[in-house]
This record gives sequence, structure tokens and C-alpha cells, in this order.
Amino acid sequence: NAGVTQTPKFQVLKTGQSMTLQCAQDMNHEYMSWYRQDPGMGLRLIHYSVGAGITDQGEVPNGYNVSRSTTEDFPLRLLSAAPSQTSVYFCASSYSRGSVSGANVLTFGAGSRLTVL
Amino acid sequence: TQLLEQSPQFLSIQEGENLTVYCNSSSVFSSLQWYRQEPGEGPVLLVTVVTGGEVKKLKRLTFQFGDARKDSSLHITAAQPGDTGLYLCARLRANNLFFGTGTRLTVIP
Repeated sequence: NAGVTQTPKFQVLKTGQSMTLQCAQDMNHEYMSWYRQDPGMGLRLIHYSVGAGITDQGEVPNGYNVSRSTTEDFPLRLLSAAPSQTSVYFCASSYSRGSVSGANVLTFGAGSRLTVL
Repeated sequence: TQLLEQSPQFLSIQEGENLTVYCNSSSVFSSLQWYRQEPGEGPVLLVTVVTGGEVKKLKRLTFQFGDARKDSSLHITAAQPGDTGLYLCARLRANNLFFGTGTRLTVIP
């Protein structure tokens, strides 16, 4: 049981290049999300998905695209990288779709550190 | 807009000391979670609090949810170097969890 797997762990891009951060989970979780983490700003939600074929925007979606063709995979695409996208990116998943009772527990990947020059 | 404010932002203490970190908001939470993140890893859930006034204990960690469900605190007794990390609170809103800015704790041996 691998949990949430992110690749690559490190990546350096030049401004304007495109790339995809991969995220896969083997827990049959319905909900998946992408966060970015910057110093002093905590984790900010980029995009999320409540199931295959369904995606939606979070707090900071500009410059990023996502798709959810399978339950297991939730890739994050940068179409034209900018230095402002230098960050550590975390993928997370949970079984619950969201509950008033607070049962939504996120399992995070180990992160992908992206540097845009 | 940051929905959750955490304080202090940084905390450095000696092994064996006690400490408290705070998570505050101007709005009411339906529930709140605390996570700990170690360098090079993703955050890991410590606890979920749901009921106003609720107190939960996890070994030397005590979590409290304010009576009005607008704030929460994490108290660590006799801190150990293994407690070093970034402590994050998070609230559930719609389908998603939104995180505070975090408190970075360093426990010096």
C-alpha cells in the first residue's frame, strides 16, 4: 500500500516551459487535491476533484490545469511556467467527500519541489 | 484571504519546556484539524476536534477547541526534539480543507 505517490520529487524549469506533476493514490479515494506551500503562507489549495471526471478550482488556480480521468490519478499541469510558481507542491487524497462532522482526513504525498528560473 | 491565523509563527524552546500554539478565526468552524509536517514530508493528521469546548489528548499533546468554535490551541508538555516540525491547523469548508500559516517549532536538546 503506497498511499499517495508524487513524481518527480525535484524539478527545475525555465520560464515558459511546460510540465506535469504526477499524483497517484492506491487507496480508492474519491477526493484528490493539489496544494502549494510557500514560506509564511501555509498550504494553499490549487485545484481539487471529488471523483473521476469532476474537477474544480481552489484558492489559487491561475496558471494550472488538472484532469481526473481515473480514480487513481490526478496530474497537475503547468502550461507556461513562471518564477512565481516556484514552490513545493503537495497532492492529497481522502475517502470522504467532505463531511460536516469533520471526518475528512487528508493523506498527503511527500511533495514535489519545483524551481522556475 | 487567510481564514486561519496561527501564532506564534516561529517558536524555539529547550527540551523539557512546555508550550502552547494557537489557531484563530473570525468565523465559526464546523470542525478543525491539526497536522504536523516534518522537513521533506507531507503533513500528517494529529487530531480532529468537532465539539465546542472539546479537549483531546495525544500523549504529551493536548488539543482544545474553543467554546464558540472560533479558535483552537495545541499544548505540548515537556517538549522533546522529536516534536520539532511545522504545526498546521485546518478547517473544513465545503469539500475542502483550508490551512493556517503554521507554527514552526524547534525543540533544542
